[in-house]
Amino acid sequence: DVVMTQTPPSLSVAIGQSVSISCKSSQSLVYSDGKTYLHWLLQSPGRSPKRLIYQVSNLGSGVPDRFSGTGSQKDFTLKISRVEAEDLGVYYCAQTTHFPFTFGSGTKLEIK
Amino acid sequence: QVQLKESGPGLVQPSETLSLTCTVSGFSLTSNSVHWVRQPPGKGLEWMGIIRSGGSTDYNSALKSRLSISRDTSKSQVFLKMNSLQTEDTAIYYCTRTRVGDWFAYWGQGTLVTVSS
Repeated sequence: DVVMTQTPPSLSVAIGQSVSISCKSSQSLVYSDGKTYLHWLLQSPGRSPKRLIYQVSNLGSGVPDRFSGTGSQKDFTLKISRVEAEDLGVYYCAQTTHFPFTFGSGTKLEIK
Repeated sequence: QVQLKESGPGLVQPSETLSLTCTVSGFSLTSNSVHWVRQPPGKGLEWMGIIRSGGSTDYNSALKSRLSISRDTSKSQVFLKMNSLQTEDTAIYYCTRTRVGDWFAYWGQGTLVTVSS
């Protein structure tokens, strides 16, 4: 199975600061069609996960452009510019290139 | 609009079989895939399996021997059955929709399943 390693496991930031979360996979996430199926989700406290970014860098509908995703092959990053209070929660990366699909262990974002 | 809603028993005895239903609206199961994802209390997300628009399935290898996903397209329902439940299967169970170029955009509210005698 593809192991998704997220760092850091937690971080605490002040409103208005920028943060980056890393996600590294144990195998390349480039599929045979040439596309990379790496996605980012946010789970706010007590809520279902919400998709932020799909296929590395595509912003989901209604997601603020403060969120951005970059990366390739095995190394990916989610950046949040100008953190807002509503951004708190646990961020997960997920790969759907290889079966079984797998999630990272999560990064908990707290607001100072 | 697109909606998914999980339903199930809430409490299951150890060694028994879990049956969950995901009822969808706002889209067709014949043109969308549905996944099951679970989350033990206080822990991360685990992908369980998928039923594709064409009806084929794939499962997490760790659960494959115990898990079955099926559907009734006429009722817009997807079913999960998992046997030989143990306490470590206690989790919130979610269903989520994907289709080409649109991964994990819609999730159900989740249903908590507790395995206990």
